[in-house]
Formats: sequence, structure tokens, C-alpha cells
Amino acid sequence: AQSVTQLGSHVSVSEGALVLLRCNYSSSVPPYLFWYVQYPNQGLQLLLKYTTGATLVKGINGFEAEFKKSETSFHLTKPSAHMSDAAEYFCAVNDNYGQNFVFGPGTRLSVLP
Amino acid sequence: DAGITQSPRHKVTETGTPVTLRCHQTENHRYMYWYRQDPGHGLRLIHYSYGVKDTDKGEVSDGYSVSRSKTEDFLLTLESATSSQTSVYFCAIRGDLSGANVLTFGAGSRLTVL
Repeated sequence: AQSVTQLGSHVSVSEGALVLLRCNYSSSVPPYLFWYVQYPNQGLQLLLKYTTGATLVKGINGFEAEFKKSETSFHLTKPSAHMSDAAEYFCAVNDNYGQNFVFGPGTRLSVLP
Repeated sequence: DAGITQSPRHKVTETGTPVTLRCHQTENHRYMYWYRQDPGHGLRLIHYSYGVKDTDKGEVSDGYSVSRSKTEDFLLTLESATSSQTSVYFCAIRGDLSGANVLTFGAGSRLTVL
């Protein structure tokens, strides 16, 4: 069975500071990994995904994530936070074209001026 | 939300009444999903469909049923709504404009059961 944990339900950073949102997963097969962002009162939007190949993946809005198999992690980073990055972020895993996508509980990112 | 429409977007109902939420896609994707979103739980899968008349249960399927009589429509029914089913419901299709293995979500349906 797959599962996803996200350390920290709420993270606050100052504008211009590094953003680091943590995601760890468990999967019995090589996983596909995703980060989604949700702005208030909206649906989820794909930020980036890892399938195979390069372990450092770049997404929209300056975000990137690195797949580390040995650590079963897929942490999301952005070098410099903007006020517009304030949202909820969800990590998800899919077992390589399996039926289900399993989501973590989410991390709410606040960006302070 | 391109290609996915959820209706209604907001609904308030009373305990014990039936409720049907509709998800309509224009992308002709095979897989469709219903998730519910609750604080602290992320998104949890209710049911999914892998084709017309082909559906299966997710982790929180109790109290819910689904139907898919056409490729483009996936209906979620609460036969007798309870307060624990107050939630935001998201429909998703598997795929995007490039056909990739990702979920593309609708805008959500907020249901309040009084």
C-alpha cells in the first residue's frame, strides 16, 4: 500500500526566504510523485511531477523537487518566496500507472512580508 | 479546470436527504475519480471509474455510490446525507492535454449537511 506523509501542517516563511516543504512516501513499486498547489477556494493545480529519469524536477512558479530513493523523499523547494506562493501544497504518489493516487494531508504555506 | 465541470458548486442540504454531484468532462478520458477534502486529511478517494459502467471503491466509499453511463459524466450520490459528509468534493480525470499520468481536477463542490 502506498502512503504519503508531509512534515508540518503549517509552514511560515518571510518573503524572499527559502521555501522547503517536506514529503516522504512509501510505495512497493517505483513511484510516480507529484506536488499540487491549492489556492483558496480553488481546485488543485499540478506544480510538478517525477516519473522516471532526472531526479531533480522543475515545475511552475520557480518550484523544484528532488526524488531521493534512499530517503523515500520528494521535498519541494523554492529559493525565494513570494507573497503569491501562499497556498496549500499537497504531495501525492501513484504506483506507476496504478489506479490510485494517494495524497498527503497537505502543508499550508504562509508568506510573511 | 479546463475540460472538467462540477455541479453544483455549492449545496446545503438536510440530514437524510439524497444528494447527487455531477462531474462532466470534455476530454474523453477513461479514468475519473471522486475525492473528498477535509482539514488534516488531504484528499481521500471515494470511488473511481475506469470506463463506462466500470467503477470501484476507494478508501472512504461507505455512504456513497457512483454511476458512469457515459464517458463524459461521473455521478456521485449520497443516498441519505449525514453531517459527516459535509466536505468539499473534487472530481478528477487522469490525464492532461499531453495525456500524461497526472490528475487534473475540477473546481470542487462544497456540500454542507445540516
